Amino acid sequence: GAVVSQHPSWVICKSGTSVKIECRSLDFQATTMFWYRQFPKQSLMLMATSNEGSKATYEQGVEKDKFLINHASLTLSTLTVTSAHPEDSSFYICSAPHRTHTDTQYFGPGTRLTVL
Amino acid sequence: AQSVTQPDIHITVSEGASLELRCNYSYGATPYLFWYVQSPGQGLQLLLKYFSGDTLVQGIKGFEAEFKRSQSSFNLRKPSVHWSDAAEYFCAVGESGNTGKLIFGQGTTLQVKP
Repeated sequence: GAVVSQHPSWVICKSGTSVKIECRSLDFQATTMFWYRQFPKQSLMLMATSNEGSKATYEQGVEKDKFLINHASLTLSTLTVTSAHPEDSSFYICSAPHRTHTDTQYFGPGTRLTVL
Repeated sequence: AQSVTQPDIHITVSEGASLELRCNYSYGATPYLFWYVQSPGQGLQLLLKYFSGDTLVQGIKGFEAEFKRSQSSFNLRKPSVHWSDAAEYFCAVGESGNTGKLIFGQGTTLQVKP
């Protein structure tokens, strides 16, 4: 089946630094990818839609200057948390719809970010 | 606005017992409905989905769900739970137009007693 990977799986950083998270579709191409945020014991909240070759679309309330998204190729989207603060600590998950089976999302395993 | 509610935050069942996880949605038209399972260290895995047609949907791992428009529900069921079913379960509704965006419920943690 289709596989989506994320790197790193976990990261610890100091407050004020920036962290980049990668999301890759390993065996299929994805013109669109989605980034979610999940707080402990809570649901997934959609942050933004990453579009290959164009700007990302952010959900209401999500700071686009804080969470930079780049979709440079059909298999890679990156989320950069800029000037991270402890409140940015969370579990970040990406997903990608299969190019031909667009009704099915494939989720990455997630990245645990801890900001000290 | 679309929304999804999973009334049960935590459910404990004995191994071999039947299971039903509740999901209610708010949506104007016929929704795209999904159930996902999340295990530690793994990505969300699709159990089943409903778009149209037969309201009883069969999924993987012996799960099924029934779409009931009159009750705005899409409850997940399994006749006999296995210890390996212990995980977090999420109900989700797809945004109108099937854009790929998903709105998730709060999740239900399933614990299985031996």
